[in-house]
Amino acid sequence: DAGVTQSPTHLIKTRGQQVTLRCSPKSGHDTVSWYQQALGQGPQFIFQYYEEEERQRGNFPDRFSGHQFPNYSSELNVNALLLGDSALYLCASSLGQTAHEQYFGPGTRLTVT
Amino acid sequence: DQQVKQNSPSLSVQEGRISILNCDYTNSMFDYFLWYKKYPAEGPTFLISISSIKDKNEDGRFTVFLNKSAKHLSLHIVPSQPGDSAVYFCAASGGLADKLIFGTGTRLQVFP
Repeated sequence: DAGVTQSPTHLIKTRGQQVTLRCSPKSGHDTVSWYQQALGQGPQFIFQYYEEEERQRGNFPDRFSGHQFPNYSSELNVNALLLGDSALYLCASSLGQTAHEQYFGPGTRLTVT
Repeated sequence: DQQVKQNSPSLSVQEGRISILNCDYTNSMFDYFLWYKKYPAEGPTFLISISSIKDKNEDGRFTVFLNKSAKHLSLHIVPSQPGDSAVYFCAASGGLADKLIFGTGTRLQVFP
């Protein structure tokens, strides 16, 4: 039973570029949430996707957008990258929008230079 | 505005003793609290949770205590084991379908 998978593992981008991160949820899960974890901080909620729609959103600018596909996998897109976007991006899956017992992937480490 | 605070960035405990990790919150609308454990190069792993209608929840070596009047919760690990060495995050939500708000984490080191 595969857990949450994320790709790529690491990514280096230049300021101003655009990036797409991918997530496959745990088998049987239908909800995907994305978090940003800066160095020395806890994960910060970006948004949640359920039934292919964005259901909740944290305090992140419109440069951060996402998508959920019919197979429940999800993408996180960040446009016009800033140096401050450098962080670990975590994807978490759950069943039916439940906040508790979210299963996290290993994350994608994004470095913006 | 840090709604969930973990004021101790690190904690060092001897194997076999009790580890106590603390967490404070400011939003009285939070009604569900969780602890996650994170090893390097892995995502956070759910450990234990508690609803605001309870003041204690126990699962094996792990017990979470909730003091609503003080807006404080703690995680007790007894006995502590070297494999417990990790970063522990406290998280809160306004309900089962609400987003999680995380603290900044406490790094626990259990030494022999």
